[in-house]
Amino acid sequence: DTTVKQNPRYKLARVGKPVNLICSQTMNHDTMYWYQKKPNQAPKLLLFYYDKILNREADTFEKFQSSRPNNSFCSLYIGSAGLEYSAMYLCASSPWDRGREQYFGPGTRLTVL
Amino acid sequence: GDSVTQTEGQVALSEEDFLTIHCNYSASGYPALFWYVQYPGEGPQFLFRASRDKEKGSSRGFEATYDKGTTSFHLRKASVQESDSAVYYCALGATQVVGQLTFGRGTRLQVYA
Repeated sequence: DTTVKQNPRYKLARVGKPVNLICSQTMNHDTMYWYQKKPNQAPKLLLFYYDKILNREADTFEKFQSSRPNNSFCSLYIGSAGLEYSAMYLCASSPWDRGREQYFGPGTRLTVL
Repeated sequence: GDSVTQTEGQVALSEEDFLTIHCNYSASGYPALFWYVQYPGEGPQFLFRASRDKEKGSSRGFEATYDKGTTSFHLRKASVQESDSAVYYCALGATQVVGQLTFGRGTRLQVYA
């Protein structure tokens, strides 16, 4: 099974409210990633976990949090959603030694109103 | 920083037409180059990769050749089918950090029967 699952598929949030997105994989991959995708823009890497080590991109460091309670699950947390957070959020996983060959979930479309 | 440019935002073809999607990159060192494909309702899927100059990657009838001289990795297919309709992403993997991908903005291919 090479499936990466994301929940929910669609999320509506109010400005200023928190948002929590969930990703799971059963491939025993040691690395999990979160990307943000906006229309007509490239997917942008937000952060990734290698095992229990979190790496966040410098320009999104303070905007997104994440946790990985076990190898299979990873969450993306927004403490206070703003309009600019409206986007598709893609989760991916890979084994570390083949990190560029990533398996993606179908995404969660977040709309902030 | 590293970047990937996909010239075409959208391409419309008829079945059995020849496909070219242009991809140019800018990166230090010697990056690995990738193509990913995203079908409607799904996340991006790894298509193939190339890691050195003049290397050809291929899968499902698609191919691209790593050209360090022109910093390009153009995607080609001799005869497209309606089922090839999807968004195609060119990406590069930095030499310094395993696992990180820099994507282009994607090219939406629509093939008409």
